[in-house]
Amino acid sequence: GAVVSQHPSRVICKSGTSVKIECRSLDFQATTMFWYRQFPKKSLMLMATSNEGSKATYEQGVEKDKFLINHASLTLSTLTVTSAHPEDSSFYICSARTPGQTHNEQFFGPGTRLTVL
Amino acid sequence: AQSVTQLDSQVPVFEEAPVELRCNYSSSVSVYLFWYVQYPNQGLQLLLKYLSGSTLVESINGFEAEFNKSQTSFHLRKPSVHISDTAEYFCAVSEVGGFQKLVFGTGTRLLVSP
Repeated sequence: GAVVSQHPSRVICKSGTSVKIECRSLDFQATTMFWYRQFPKKSLMLMATSNEGSKATYEQGVEKDKFLINHASLTLSTLTVTSAHPEDSSFYICSARTPGQTHNEQFFGPGTRLTVL
Repeated sequence: AQSVTQLDSQVPVFEEAPVELRCNYSSSVSVYLFWYVQYPNQGLQLLLKYLSGSTLVESINGFEAEFNKSQTSFHLRKPSVHISDTAEYFCAVSEVGGFQKLVFGTGTRLLVSP
């Protein structure tokens, strides 16, 4: 159980275009999902916490107008990178918490490799 | 606030040798502790976790970690590694109580060679 998927796994786009990444909890309902960004040989940087039915909470330094997050249902959160530029190229990973959990274990998706040309 | 330190960015070992990946944390409150493993171009998978109780926790593939409160450490060990253990390993902490975010260390790349 507790499987999280992401789509697409890889995306290449031109500078100035927008890219949408989907994160789905396949076998459970996730009221909270998280979006991370991982730079090469670096740790995961939490970008935002996505709550179903409410606005996402962004970490300091993350542009909310640049990285739009929508958590429209209990199994789907989307991250849209708007007007992408080469510096947005990165590995984006989502995670989710299972309901009723008393600690903070998160289940991670396989990640999306974004390359902006 | 919490912080996690993984001093070794890379640990090369030979197959069947023992290995220890170090993790130290800093926190003014009680924490949960986690080790995650990341294989190339994949997301993170939970390896093991410490929530409470026995300070020694084990994974199904032979890894173990011991929570040492006095030394604020949660080192990961395996007595005999395999080539397939080659991956990036991340230590993470989270505050006990409430849904606090995970704070990750910078990761340690374990390189197992024949």
